[in-house]
Amino acid sequence: GENVEQHPSTLSVQEGDSAVIKCTYSDSASNYFPWYKQELGKRPQLIIDIRSNVGEKKDQRIAVTLNKTAKHFSLHITETQPEDSAVYFCAARWTGANNLFFGTGTRLTVIP
Amino acid sequence: DAGVTQSPTHLIKTRGQQVTLRCSPKSGHDTVSWYQQALGQGPQFIFQYYEEEERQRGNFPDRFSGHQFPNYSSELNVNALLLGDSALYLCASSLRQGEGYTFGSGTRLTVV
Repeated sequence: GENVEQHPSTLSVQEGDSAVIKCTYSDSASNYFPWYKQELGKRPQLIIDIRSNVGEKKDQRIAVTLNKTAKHFSLHITETQPEDSAVYFCAARWTGANNLFFGTGTRLTVIP
Repeated sequence: DAGVTQSPTHLIKTRGQQVTLRCSPKSGHDTVSWYQQALGQGPQFIFQYYEEEERQRGNFPDRFSGHQFPNYSSELNVNALLLGDSALYLCASSLRQGEGYTFGSGTRLTVV
């Protein structure tokens, strides 16, 4: 099956700075890469996703980049705000399957 | 909002007992996936149900079983509970050919 590694495990940034979280995947047949935000005690919520035929996608302050050759994808959050503080998970879906393999999560803390 | 609903929200069981967790998918979704999220970890795929059959399964023992009903709702059963089964159990619904997972708020299972 797919194996997804995520770094860093914790990340602290000053409000207004950028945050970058990186993930690598093992199966080159994976074709869909979502990112989820999970606040304490709440459900994971999809914040952005990217498909394997696209290299970059942006949604306001959030962007995701994908490098298929290197098998890694990254989440970029610009102009961070305290409400961005949460645990972020990357995931990958292997072609032909409909289940997601998740990374181990990154705890982002935005310091006011 | 007809999102994903899970019940119960919290549950305490004794080692060796059996437990049943329930999930109602988002309106319009036909596929239900179950995940186990241990503290500080990413969600781990247990199995997925579509058309009342288990379609895919992760690396979980046979003590974990499930069911999907004609109305697409689903149950997760765990037999012979172990202390290590303590976790947040998340249900996610989607369309069979879709990509967007919608997660429920989860059931927090504690085995003592």
